[in-house]
Amino acid sequence: GAVVSQHPSRVICKSGTSVKIECRSLDFQATTMFWYRQFPKQSLMLMATSNEGSKATYEQGVEKDKFLINHASLTLSTLTVTSAHPEDSSFYICSARGGQAGAIWSTYGYTFGSGTRLTVV
Amino acid sequence: AQSVAQPEDQVNVAEGNPLTVKCTYSVSGNPYLFWYVQYPNRGLQFLLKYITGDNLVKGSYGFEAEFNKSQTSFHLKKPSALVSDSALYFCAVRDRGSSNTGKLIFGQGTTLQVKP
Repeated sequence: GAVVSQHPSRVICKSGTSVKIECRSLDFQATTMFWYRQFPKQSLMLMATSNEGSKATYEQGVEKDKFLINHASLTLSTLTVTSAHPEDSSFYICSARGGQAGAIWSTYGYTFGSGTRLTVV
Repeated sequence: AQSVAQPEDQVNVAEGNPLTVKCTYSVSGNPYLFWYVQYPNRGLQFLLKYITGDNLVKGSYGFEAEFNKSQTSFHLKKPSALVSDSALYFCAVRDRGSSNTGKLIFGQGTTLQVKP
């Protein structure tokens, strides 16, 4: 089936530093990657949508200079939290949509990574 | 505006009893509907989806959901709950008629607690 590998699963960083989170589609081409943020016991908040080779589209209220998204290949997208602060501490999840209609997408829908727990101290 | 509602924050059920987790939606056009399950500190796992066809959709782990267009609902059901079903469940919708990139809109989530 479609698998998305997300790393790291857990990271602790100091305030002011940057952290990079990677999502890789292992057995399909992720033409579109979605990045979500989730607070404890809450729903997923879409941060941005990225298509391979183009700039990410950010949701309203999400700082594009703080949350840098790169989708340079069909199998890799990265989210970099720059100059992290304690309020950036959260659970970040990526989701990939790939293939053509009738293939991966219509079989598996959207495939999610396992999430990254970011703690900024 | 597109939206998904899960009216219950938590559902409690005894093991072996049937369970229902409710979801209603509001979108323009015919929707793509999904159910996902999330275990603590994990990503979302796909359970099932409705795209077209039969209103009763069967998915993973014995779950099923019924698409009801007149009631704009897509409730998740299972005939006999297991303790291991205890998790956070999300309903999501994608508007088929939208020109967006296909992003999903999630409900608030419902915590399912199955007690032995």
